[in-house]
Amino acid sequence: DTEVTQTPKHLVMGMTNKKSLKCEQHMGHRAMYWYKQKAKKPPELMFVYSYEKLSINESVPSRFSPECPNSSLLNLHLHALQPEDSALYLCASSQEAGGLAKNIQYFGAGTRLSVL
Amino acid sequence: GESVGLHLPTLSVQEGDNSIINCAYSNSASDYFIWYKQESGKGPQFIIDIRSNMDKRQGQRVTVLLNKTVKHLSLQIAATQPGDSAVYFCAENNAGNMLTFGGGTRLMVKP
Repeated sequence: DTEVTQTPKHLVMGMTNKKSLKCEQHMGHRAMYWYKQKAKKPPELMFVYSYEKLSINESVPSRFSPECPNSSLLNLHLHALQPEDSALYLCASSQEAGGLAKNIQYFGAGTRLSVL
Repeated sequence: GESVGLHLPTLSVQEGDNSIINCAYSNSASDYFIWYKQESGKGPQFIIDIRSNMDKRQGQRVTVLLNKTVKHLSLQIAATQPGDSAVYFCAENNAGNMLTFGGGTRLMVKP
């Protein structure tokens, strides 16, 4: 079973709402990731945090705002989303980020987001 | 641009048969590859990985083969079971530890 926990499992929000997705891991990993996955498509990287600092932002719109309060937690704050933002949002973690070291990413079960 | 892709979107096999899922990649500098399994309603689950200095790696009922000459990766599942039904993604891990996923293959196991 995955040791990356995401909440909530499902979320329905209007375009004017503000909501947050949460992710937690207790494997001592120092890199955490947010991915977006549309139906029948592979996951697409959004953000990478390394040692609690944002290291990669894959040109994600500002209506998505990541936050890493500590090494075990990762949040994704949502505001003024569009219906096309509806997707499965996946969190992952790995021991480290960067370099050529073998670094398996472990995924949570995701949050299924619907924007009305 | 660089990409990782799969040949077959859907593979249907009989229970007990062996399954082979293929993946092509284009970045010849890639040095590490991973196979993930994603069941309905779940996140991707690590299955097996292989470094570019190897051409074969075996796990429990799974084998990954890497052919660097033709930039091809395959996942072999022995004695396929109903629980193997899922979407399988190959992923390329580059120097920035960013995963680039292939398009995915759905494996359907017929009883």
